[in-house]
Amino acid sequence: LAKTTQPISMDSYEGQEVNITCSHNNIATNDYITWYQQFPSQGPRFIIQGYKTKVTNEVASLFIPADRKSSTLSLPRVSLSDTAVYYCLVGPLNTNAGKSTFGDGTTLTVKP
Amino acid sequence: NAGVTQTPKFQVLKTGQSMTLQCAQDMNHNSMYWYRQDPGMGLRLIYYSASEGTTDKGEVPNGYNVSRLNKREFSLRLESAAPSQTSVYFCASTTGTVGEKLFFGSGTQLSVL
Repeated sequence: LAKTTQPISMDSYEGQEVNITCSHNNIATNDYITWYQQFPSQGPRFIIQGYKTKVTNEVASLFIPADRKSSTLSLPRVSLSDTAVYYCLVGPLNTNAGKSTFGDGTTLTVKP
Repeated sequence: NAGVTQTPKFQVLKTGQSMTLQCAQDMNHNSMYWYRQDPGMGLRLIYYSASEGTTDKGEVPNGYNVSRLNKREFSLRLESAAPSQTSVYFCASTTGTVGEKLFFGSGTQLSVL
């Protein structure tokens, strides 16, 4: 399973765009990249998932370069409620995604 | 729908006691997982069940046992609790197909004294 590396923490202010980068140098051909968000005292929640190029949904965008050795989660115009831990997971989706390794995540703190 | 339901939400045990954490999902998912999360750290996989009737070890299985009672329920048992097992335990489920995503319960805070 691919190992991921993320910054331990990031600070931002309300209304700014936040980009969190995840490195996954040994990503395999059949691996997908998935991001989860976790608030204190809650289980992680799915944010976005992608394989290559760019994926966008109602809450975030995911940018994946051609070599797929990294990925960037982009949160537009963050608010205080976006303060959470963000996890990048890399693993094959068709064989037990739950086996993908959770790293220590990135703690995002949004300030007023 | 309730999603993934875990019971209890909080539990305090003495060293050597046993207990079972319960997890149930109502999404007709095939695969279920148990994780533990220690303070300030990510989740580590304890055991998982790819489908009803099967279970496999994850990254940190020692000291735990699991039972996939039926498609809905997946329980985690601590036979002889140790202080090192003090953690937050999360259950999750997925469809088990391509494009799947994990759905998590709200967790069980376990303290072993």
